Amino acid sequence: DIQMTQSPSSLSASVGDRVTVTCRASQGITNDLGWYQQKPGKAPKRLIYAASSLQSGVPSRFSGSGSGTEFTLTISSLQPEDFATYYCLQHNSYPLTFGGGTKVEIK
Amino acid sequence: EVQLVESGGGLIQPGGSLRLSCAASGFTVSSNYMSWVRQAPGKGLEWVSVIYSSGGTYYADSVKGRFTISRDNSQNTLYLQMNSLRAEDTAIYYCARDSKGPATWGQGTLVTVSS
Repeated sequence: DIQMTQSPSSLSASVGDRVTVTCRASQGITNDLGWYQQKPGKAPKRLIYAASSLQSGVPSRFSGSGSGTEFTLTISSLQPEDFATYYCLQHNSYPLTFGGGTKVEIK
Repeated sequence: EVQLVESGGGLIQPGGSLRLSCAASGFTVSSNYMSWVRQAPGKGLEWVSVIYSSGGTYYADSVKGRFTISRDNSQNTLYLQMNSLRAEDTAIYYCARDSKGPATWGQGTLVTVSS
Protein backbone atom coordinates (compact mmCIF):
# COMPACT_ATOMS: atom_id res chain seq x y z
CA ASP A 1 0.00 0.00 0.00
CA ILE A 2 1.13 3.57 -0.65
CA GLN A 3 1.63 5.60 2.52
CA MET A 4 0.89 9.32 2.49
CA THR A 5 2.78 11.41 5.05
CA GLN A 6 1.24 14.83 5.54
CA SER A 7 2.82 17.73 7.41
CA PRO A 8 2.34 19.63 9.56
CA SER A 9 -0.49 17.97 11.47
CA SER A 10 -1.66 21.41 12.60
CA LEU A 11 -0.72 25.02 12.18
CA SER A 12 -1.82 28.41 13.46
CA ALA A 13 -2.04 31.27 11.02
CA SER A 14 -3.56 34.70 10.63
CA VAL A 15 -5.93 36.02 8.00
CA GLY A 16 -3.84 37.09 5.02
CA ASP A 17 -1.01 34.64 5.71
CA ARG A 18 0.44 32.35 3.07
CA VAL A 19 -0.02 28.73 4.16
CA THR A 20 1.71 25.62 2.81
CA VAL A 21 0.84 21.97 3.50
CA THR A 22 2.99 19.10 2.24
CA CYS A 23 2.29 15.45 1.41
CA ARG A 24 4.91 12.84 0.69
CA ALA A 25 4.09 9.52 -0.96
CA SER A 26 6.00 6.35 -0.07
CA GLN A 27 6.41 5.64 -3.78
CA GLY A 28 5.90 7.55 -6.99
CA ILE A 29 2.30 8.35 -7.86
CA THR A 30 2.88 10.61 -10.90
CA ASN A 31 0.27 13.37 -10.41
CA ASP A 32 -2.52 11.16 -9.03
CA LEU A 33 -3.16 13.32 -5.99
CA GLY A 34 -6.06 15.38 -4.70
CA TRP A 35 -6.47 17.88 -1.88
CA TYR A 36 -9.62 18.08 0.23
CA GLN A 37 -10.99 20.60 2.71
CA GLN A 38 -13.23 19.50 5.56
CA LYS A 39 -15.06 21.75 7.97
CA PRO A 40 -16.54 20.45 11.25
CA GLY A 41 -19.69 18.41 10.72
CA LYS A 42 -19.41 18.59 6.94
CA ALA A 43 -18.37 16.22 4.18
CA PRO A 44 -14.95 16.72 2.58
CA LYS A 45 -14.81 18.99 -0.45
CA ARG A 46 -12.23 18.52 -3.18
CA LEU A 47 -10.12 21.60 -3.91
CA ILE A 48 -7.42 20.26 -6.23
CA TYR A 49 -7.22 17.21 -8.51
CA ALA A 50 -4.39 15.80 -10.59
CA ALA A 51 -1.98 17.52 -8.19
CA SER A 52 -2.40 21.01 -9.61
CA SER A 53 -5.82 21.39 -11.28
CA LEU A 54 -8.28 23.63 -9.48
CA GLN A 55 -11.73 22.15 -8.93
CA SER A 56 -14.47 24.21 -10.51
CA GLY A 57 -15.79 26.88 -8.15
CA VAL A 58 -12.78 26.81 -5.82
CA PRO A 59 -11.12 30.20 -5.20
CA SER A 60 -7.85 30.83 -7.04
CA ARG A 61 -6.00 31.48 -3.76
CA PHE A 62 -5.77 27.67 -3.51
CA SER A 63 -3.09 26.00 -5.60
CA GLY A 64 -1.36 22.64 -5.78
CA SER A 65 2.00 21.54 -7.07
CA GLY A 66 4.28 18.53 -7.23
CA SER A 67 4.60 15.17 -8.89
CA GLY A 68 6.13 11.84 -8.11
CA THR A 69 6.42 11.73 -4.33
CA GLU A 70 6.31 15.35 -3.11
CA PHE A 71 3.22 17.51 -3.23
CA THR A 72 2.19 20.88 -1.85
CA LEU A 73 -1.06 22.70 -1.22
CA THR A 74 -0.70 26.46 -0.93
CA ILE A 75 -3.24 29.02 0.23
CA SER A 76 -1.88 32.35 -0.97
CA SER A 77 -3.82 34.59 1.40
CA LEU A 78 -5.72 32.82 4.18
CA GLN A 79 -9.35 33.87 4.55
CA PRO A 80 -11.64 33.36 7.58
CA GLU A 81 -13.58 30.64 5.75
CA ASP A 82 -10.37 28.65 5.12
CA PHE A 83 -9.97 27.56 8.72
CA ALA A 84 -10.56 23.82 8.37
CA THR A 85 -8.78 20.49 8.11
CA TYR A 86 -7.04 19.60 4.86
CA TYR A 87 -6.28 16.11 3.54
CA CYS A 88 -4.32 14.78 0.61
CA LEU A 89 -5.37 11.59 -1.17
CA GLN A 90 -3.49 9.41 -3.63
CA HIS A 91 -5.55 7.65 -6.28
CA ASN A 92 -2.68 6.08 -8.20
CA SER A 93 -3.43 2.61 -6.91
CA TYR A 94 -5.86 0.79 -4.64
CA PRO A 95 -6.27 0.95 -1.76
CA LEU A 96 -6.62 4.71 -2.00
CA THR A 97 -4.84 6.35 0.92
CA PHE A 98 -5.25 9.67 2.66
CA GLY A 99 -2.72 11.75 4.50
CA GLY A 100 -3.27 12.21 8.22
CA GLY A 101 -4.71 15.70 7.84
CA THR A 102 -3.62 19.25 8.64
CA LYS A 103 -5.78 21.36 10.93
CA VAL A 104 -5.49 25.06 10.11
CA GLU A 105 -6.40 27.16 13.13
CA ILE A 106 -6.69 30.86 13.83
CA LYS A 107 -3.67 32.48 15.45
CA GLU B 1 -27.00 18.92 -10.37
CA VAL B 2 -24.99 15.97 -9.10
CA GLN B 3 -26.23 14.86 -5.68
CA LEU B 4 -25.60 11.91 -3.37
CA VAL B 5 -27.76 11.09 -0.35
CA GLU B 6 -26.72 8.35 2.08
CA SER B 7 -29.07 6.52 4.43
CA GLY B 8 -29.24 3.38 6.52
CA GLY B 9 -26.92 4.24 9.37
CA GLY B 10 -27.77 3.70 13.01
CA LEU B 11 -26.87 1.90 16.21
CA ILE B 12 -26.03 -1.78 15.81
CA GLN B 13 -24.60 -4.37 18.17
CA PRO B 14 -21.20 -5.94 17.55
CA GLY B 15 -21.50 -8.86 15.16
CA GLY B 16 -24.58 -7.38 13.53
CA SER B 17 -25.28 -6.36 9.94
CA LEU B 18 -26.34 -3.13 8.29
CA ARG B 19 -26.88 -2.01 4.71
CA LEU B 20 -26.09 1.53 3.71
CA SER B 21 -27.67 3.16 0.66
CA CYS B 22 -26.51 6.06 -1.46
CA ALA B 23 -29.12 7.49 -3.79
CA ALA B 24 -27.66 9.38 -6.73
CA SER B 25 -29.17 12.05 -8.95
CA GLY B 26 -27.81 14.10 -11.81
CA PHE B 27 -25.66 11.26 -13.17
CA THR B 28 -25.71 7.49 -13.73
CA VAL B 29 -24.12 5.38 -11.00
CA SER B 30 -23.39 2.45 -13.31
CA SER B 31 -21.33 4.62 -15.67
CA ASN B 32 -18.99 5.82 -12.93
CA TYR B 33 -16.52 4.53 -10.37
CA MET B 34 -18.18 4.89 -6.96
CA SER B 35 -16.45 4.75 -3.58
CA TRP B 36 -17.25 4.52 0.11
CA VAL B 37 -15.06 6.46 2.53
CA ARG B 38 -15.44 6.50 6.32
CA GLN B 39 -14.36 8.69 9.19
CA ALA B 40 -14.24 7.48 12.78
CA PRO B 41 -15.21 10.09 15.41
CA GLY B 42 -12.45 12.68 15.70
CA LYS B 43 -10.22 10.82 13.25
CA GLY B 44 -9.06 11.14 9.65
CA LEU B 45 -10.52 9.79 6.44
CA GLU B 46 -10.25 6.11 5.47
CA TRP B 47 -11.11 4.76 2.04
CA VAL B 48 -13.28 1.63 2.27
CA SER B 49 -14.30 0.29 -1.13
CA VAL B 50 -14.84 1.02 -4.82
CA ILE B 51 -17.04 -0.40 -7.55
CA TYR B 52 -15.91 0.17 -11.09
CA SER B 53 -18.22 0.95 -13.98
CA SER B 54 -17.39 -2.57 -15.20
CA GLY B 55 -18.73 -3.99 -11.93
CA GLY B 56 -15.36 -4.95 -10.48
CA THR B 57 -14.79 -4.19 -6.83
CA TYR B 58 -11.93 -3.52 -4.43
CA TYR B 59 -11.84 -3.32 -0.63
CA ALA B 60 -9.61 -2.04 2.13
CA ASP B 61 -8.00 -4.88 4.08
CA SER B 62 -9.83 -3.72 7.20
CA VAL B 63 -13.24 -4.62 5.70
CA LYS B 64 -12.39 -7.34 3.17
CA GLY B 65 -14.59 -10.40 3.62
CA ARG B 66 -17.10 -8.50 5.78
CA PHE B 67 -18.32 -5.64 3.55
CA THR B 68 -19.81 -5.86 0.05
CA ILE B 69 -20.27 -2.95 -2.31
CA SER B 70 -22.97 -3.17 -4.97
CA ARG B 71 -25.33 -1.06 -7.00
CA ASP B 72 -28.89 -1.17 -8.34
CA ASN B 73 -28.91 0.33 -11.80
CA SER B 74 -32.71 0.62 -11.91
CA GLN B 75 -32.68 2.65 -8.68
CA ASN B 76 -29.46 4.52 -9.52
CA THR B 77 -28.31 3.63 -6.03
CA LEU B 78 -25.06 2.44 -4.46
CA TYR B 79 -25.01 0.09 -1.47
CA LEU B 80 -22.63 -1.08 1.20
CA GLN B 81 -23.59 -4.31 2.95
CA MET B 82 -21.74 -4.50 6.26
CA ASN B 83 -21.60 -7.81 8.15
CA SER B 84 -19.80 -8.94 11.30
CA LEU B 85 -19.60 -5.36 12.48
CA ARG B 86 -17.01 -4.38 15.06
CA ALA B 87 -16.64 -1.41 17.39
CA GLU B 88 -13.85 -0.09 15.17
CA ASP B 89 -16.31 0.18 12.26
CA THR B 90 -18.03 3.06 14.10
CA ALA B 91 -17.79 6.01 11.73
CA ILE B 92 -19.54 8.38 9.39
CA TYR B 93 -19.77 6.64 6.02
CA TYR B 94 -19.64 8.78 2.90
CA CYS B 95 -20.32 7.70 -0.66
CA ALA B 96 -18.54 9.50 -3.46
CA ARG B 97 -18.51 9.67 -7.23
CA ASP B 98 -15.00 9.11 -8.49
CA SER B 99 -13.37 11.20 -11.19
CA LYS B 100 -9.59 11.19 -10.70
CA GLY B 101 -10.33 10.22 -7.12
CA PRO B 102 -13.47 10.91 -5.03
CA ALA B 103 -14.87 14.12 -6.47
CA THR B 104 -18.45 14.58 -5.30
CA TRP B 105 -19.42 13.42 -1.82
CA GLY B 106 -22.68 12.80 0.00
CA GLN B 107 -23.41 14.24 3.44
CA GLY B 108 -22.65 10.95 5.21
CA THR B 109 -24.51 8.54 7.47
CA LEU B 110 -23.40 7.62 10.98
CA VAL B 111 -22.89 3.98 11.94
CA THR B 112 -22.39 3.25 15.63
CA VAL B 113 -21.39 -0.28 16.66
CA SER B 114 -21.94 -0.73 20.37
CA SER B 115 -23.65 -3.02 22.84
